[in-house]
Amino acid sequence: DIVMTQGVLPNPVPSGESASITCRSSKSLVYKDGKTYLNWFLQRPGQSPQLLTYWMSTRASGVSDRFSGSGSGTYFTLKISRVRAEDAGVYYCQQVREYPRTFGGGTKLELK
Amino acid sequence: EVQLVESGGGLVQPGSPLKLSCAASGFTFSSNWLNWIRQAPGKGLEWVASINPDGSSTYYPDTVKGRFVVSKDNAKNTGYLQMNNLRSEDTAMYYCANGGYGYWGQGVMVTVSS
Repeated sequence: DIVMTQGVLPNPVPSGESASITCRSSKSLVYKDGKTYLNWFLQRPGQSPQLLTYWMSTRASGVSDRFSGSGSGTYFTLKISRVRAEDAGVYYCQQVREYPRTFGGGTKLELK
Repeated sequence: EVQLVESGGGLVQPGSPLKLSCAASGFTFSSNWLNWIRQAPGKGLEWVASINPDGSSTYYPDTVKGRFVVSKDNAKNTGYLQMNNLRSEDTAMYYCANGGYGYWGQGVMVTVSS
């Protein structure tokens, strides 16, 4: 199984600053079509997860351009620019390169 | 508007079965994969099952393989998760999501306890 490992944020993050969340996979998530099969989600307290980006860097419909995904085959970053109160919650990365699908353990973002 | 609504959760004893439903609307259910994901209280997300659009292929992690069965009725726009031989470690909020994980239901709680 592909193991997804997420980093920790130095919380709390001052409002208006940037935050970068990291995720590492135990195997390359690049498929033969050249796409990188990594999703990022945000789960706000008491809510269902929300898809932020897919294929590593493509923003989902309606997602603010303050969220940007980047990375290589095994190391990924979700950058949040100009952090706002509504960005607080737990961020998860997920690989959809192969089965079983696996999630990272989550990274909590708290705002100051 | 796309909607996914789970139902069927509740409190059951260890070893019991339970069947969850996921009613879909606002998109072409028959052309989409369906996923189930769970979240134990205070824990992270765990993928539980996926089924392809026509229901001919299903996938599970080892933690539920042989106990859980995912299915979908395209005529009813509804997906299902049949859970058998439930264990205390299956206690979680269960979510259904569309194939690309862009749409999620609100979740349904399953508690396995004697």
